[in-house]
Amino acid sequence: ILNVEQSPQSLHVQEGDSTNFTCSFPSSNFYALHWYRWETAKSPEALFVMTLNGDEKKKGRISATLNTKEGYSYLYIKGSQPEDSATYLCASYILTGGGNKLTFGTGTQLKVEL
Amino acid sequence: EAGVVQSPRYKIIEKKQPVAFWCNPISGHNTLYWYRQNLGQGPELLIRYENEEAVDDSQLPKDRFSAERLKGVDSTLKIQPAELGDSAVYLCASSFLTRDTEAFFGQGTRLTVV
Repeated sequence: ILNVEQSPQSLHVQEGDSTNFTCSFPSSNFYALHWYRWETAKSPEALFVMTLNGDEKKKGRISATLNTKEGYSYLYIKGSQPEDSATYLCASYILTGGGNKLTFGTGTQLKVEL
Repeated sequence: EAGVVQSPRYKIIEKKQPVAFWCNPISGHNTLYWYRQNLGQGPELLIRYENEEAVDDSQLPKDRFSAERLKGVDSTLKIQPAELGDSAVYLCASSFLTRDTEAFFGQGTRLTVV
């Protein structure tokens, strides 16, 4: 893995469904993994910042896990609601020759329908 | 506390014209990022400042793009001359200089070049 990759690109679910997304990132020079939620016409907002292999974080119905050895993170949403509709971005924070760098994936667009 | 402020929110210009975007980061944040997001893609880093120093501008198209961050606070990003392919959302973000700290984003400037 050379870049930060997210899957799926988009997802339509029904209200009440649980869902999960994947973020894959280069494991070399890894420092931290960020998850952001970006709602239409708003600014991206951080959900989680994780640094340690095996980290699990939870905020309400949303949780995330981190595997730094194999270079992936999962974001889970339990019982999706229409207000969860947004683009979910992950970003890998790495050390480069020019200093630390936050590199984003292309995002997963989630649409939760009634 | 005010968040990251960007202006203008929207800008429509003709190709070959100059354009400038302004960003006021959160007070005390020493790291400032400019990202560009093309339709259907994740944010792409253009330039990163630590205080007033541009520490990563490897992705900035220097033939037409320039940026400055005088006194290590506000920043401006300029395009001269603009091309059709520059149409995108330009996001500014700021953070403290630690690897596990989230970035805070402004609402972005949507540029349309016609």
